[in-house]
Amino acid sequence: AQSVTQLDSQVPVFEEAPVELRCNYSSSVSVYLFWYVQYPNQGLQLLLKYLSGSTLVKGINGFEAEFNKSQTSFHLRKPSVHISDTAEYFCAVKGSSNTGKLIFGQGTTLQVKP
Amino acid sequence: GAGVSQSPSNKVTEKGKDVELRCDPISGHTALYWYRQRLGQGLEFLIYFQGNSAPDKSGLPSDRFSAERTGESVSTLTIQRTQQEDSAVYLCASSLAGIGNQPQHFGDGTRLSIL
Repeated sequence: AQSVTQLDSQVPVFEEAPVELRCNYSSSVSVYLFWYVQYPNQGLQLLLKYLSGSTLVKGINGFEAEFNKSQTSFHLRKPSVHISDTAEYFCAVKGSSNTGKLIFGQGTTLQVKP
Repeated sequence: GAGVSQSPSNKVTEKGKDVELRCDPISGHTALYWYRQRLGQGLEFLIYFQGNSAPDKSGLPSDRFSAERTGESVSTLTIQRTQQEDSAVYLCASSLAGIGNQPQHFGDGTRLSIL
């Protein structure tokens, strides 16, 4: 079975500071990894994905994430955040051979303060 | 439109009533998913459609929940005899294919409130 753990439920940070949102997963098979962002009263928007190849993936809005197979982690980073980055962030895993359903972490609320 | 469309956006109903939630996926997407998001929590998988069949319905929480998809397009999630614990946001997603690395695209959800 696959599972995802987002270690921080809330991350407060000042504007223009760097941020890292942590994600660890467990799986006995090869996986694909995703980060989604959810703004209030909206659906989820794909930030970035790791499918294969380079372990450092870049996404939209200046976010990037690094896949670390030995530590089973996929942490999300941004070097300088903006007020508009305030949102809920979800890490998700999908097994390469399963029916395609995503297994989500509990989410991390990023609160950017002026 | 270009994205996944869900209706209604909000639904308030009394305990014991039946509700139907609708999802219009992106045109050409063969895979369709339903998820449930309870307040302050992550998303729980409910059911997956490939075309009009549902090879994975393992996430449906009880026999009060059912879903169908017709014409490899629109899907309807039905909850019978609603209970207060059914209150949540129900999100629909679609992708080009199920198995594989295709990302899922989400609608804005239906916020369901059971009084």
